[in-house]
Amino acid sequence: DIVMTQTPLSLSVTPGQPASISCKSSQSLLFSDGKTYLSWYLQKPGQSPQLLVYEVSSRFSGVPDRFSGSGSGTDFTLKISRVEAEDVGVYYCMQGIGLPWTFGQGTKVEI
Amino acid sequence: QVQLQQSGPGLVRPSQTLSLTCAISGDSVSSNSAAWNWIRQSPSRGLEWLGRTYYRSKWYNDYAASVKSRIIIDPDTSKNQFSLQLNSVTAEDTAVYYCARGSRAYHDSWGQGTLVTVSS
Repeated sequence: DIVMTQTPLSLSVTPGQPASISCKSSQSLLFSDGKTYLSWYLQKPGQSPQLLVYEVSSRFSGVPDRFSGSGSGTDFTLKISRVEAEDVGVYYCMQGIGLPWTFGQGTKVEI
Repeated sequence: QVQLQQSGPGLVRPSQTLSLTCAISGDSVSSNSAAWNWIRQSPSRGLEWLGRTYYRSKWYNDYAASVKSRIIIDPDTSKNQFSLQLNSVTAEDTAVYYCARGSRAYHDSWGQGTLVTVSS
């Protein structure tokens, strides 16, 4: 199975300040179709995970533009340009290169 | 807008079968572009993908090796829903179970989650 490793595991941020989360995969997430299948999710307290970013850098519908994804191969980053109070929760990366889909262990973001 | 509504018991006895259902609105379980997944979450295992069912001219299933001998994911086209059966459960199967619409690219719609406790 592909192992997804996130750092840091927790992050305390000040509203209005930037935040960055790293995700590394145990093998390249570049698929044979030329796309890289790395997605990001936010699980707010007491809620189900919600999709933020897919294919490394494409924001899902309705996701604020303060969220941005970048990276290639095995190294990826999710950045929040200016953290807001509603951004608290646990962030997960997920790979879609091969079954089983696997997730990072999560990064808890708190204000 | 796709909505997934989960149902099923929150308590299962050890060695028995865990059964959950996910009702779909806003899409079809027989869609040729979607896959219907079960994912669970526990403190010890984090988010763990269990398996999926999908239709591409015929029905397909994929399962995680960790549960492959014990799991069945079934579509029900008459009710536009899909189900999870996990046999011979133990305390290690205690988790919050989610259904989700998704593909290799992303999982964009999730059910509300069901906490299933395995205990006598």
